[in-house]
Amino acid sequence: AQSVTQLDSQVPVFEEAPVELRCNYSSSVSVYLFWYVQYPNQGLQLLLKYLSGSTLVKGINGFEAEFNKSQTSFHLRKPSVHISDTAEYFCAVKDTGGFKTIFGAGTRLFVKA
Amino acid sequence: NAGVTQTPKFRVLKTGQSMTLLCAQDMNHEYMYWYRQDPGMGLRLIHYSVGEGTTAKGEVPDGYNVSRLKKQNFLLGLESAAPSQTSVYFCASRKQGNTEAFFGQGTRLTVV
Repeated sequence: AQSVTQLDSQVPVFEEAPVELRCNYSSSVSVYLFWYVQYPNQGLQLLLKYLSGSTLVKGINGFEAEFNKSQTSFHLRKPSVHISDTAEYFCAVKDTGGFKTIFGAGTRLFVKA
Repeated sequence: NAGVTQTPKFRVLKTGQSMTLLCAQDMNHEYMYWYRQDPGMGLRLIHYSVGEGTTAKGEVPDGYNVSRLKKQNFLLGLESAAPSQTSVYFCASRKQGNTEAFFGQGTRLTVV
């Protein structure tokens, strides 16, 4: 069975500092990987996704993530965060032939002035 | 363009009451999903549907039933609500052959 582990439940960071949100997954088959963002009192929206090809994926709002197959990781990074990036971030995995997307527990990013 | 719409947005139920949450999508997506979101547990899949008239169980199906009588609608039912079902419920849809899921705004349900 697939699973997703987000290693940090909360990440406080100062504005304009870099940030990395960590995600590891387990699966016995080929997978697609996603990062979603949830702003307060809203639904989830897609930040970026890895399907195939280049292991470095760029998304919206200056975020990027790197797929590392040997370490089964898909960490999310941003070189300089803004107050507006304060939100909860979810890593998710879906096997390439399946119907279900499995989500991690989420990481709450809190950007301080 | 409405996308995925959930009704109601908020609801308070007494233990033992029943209710139905409605999810409607106007994107002609084949796949639809119901998740619940609880603090520290992320989103857990309750039930899903790969097409009109078909449904399947997810990770946490107990206490819930679903129906997909029309392609655009996916209903989630609670026959006898329990306090453990207090949660935020999200519906999502996805087009066959695509990977991105589109989410509704959520329904905050409290069972007292």
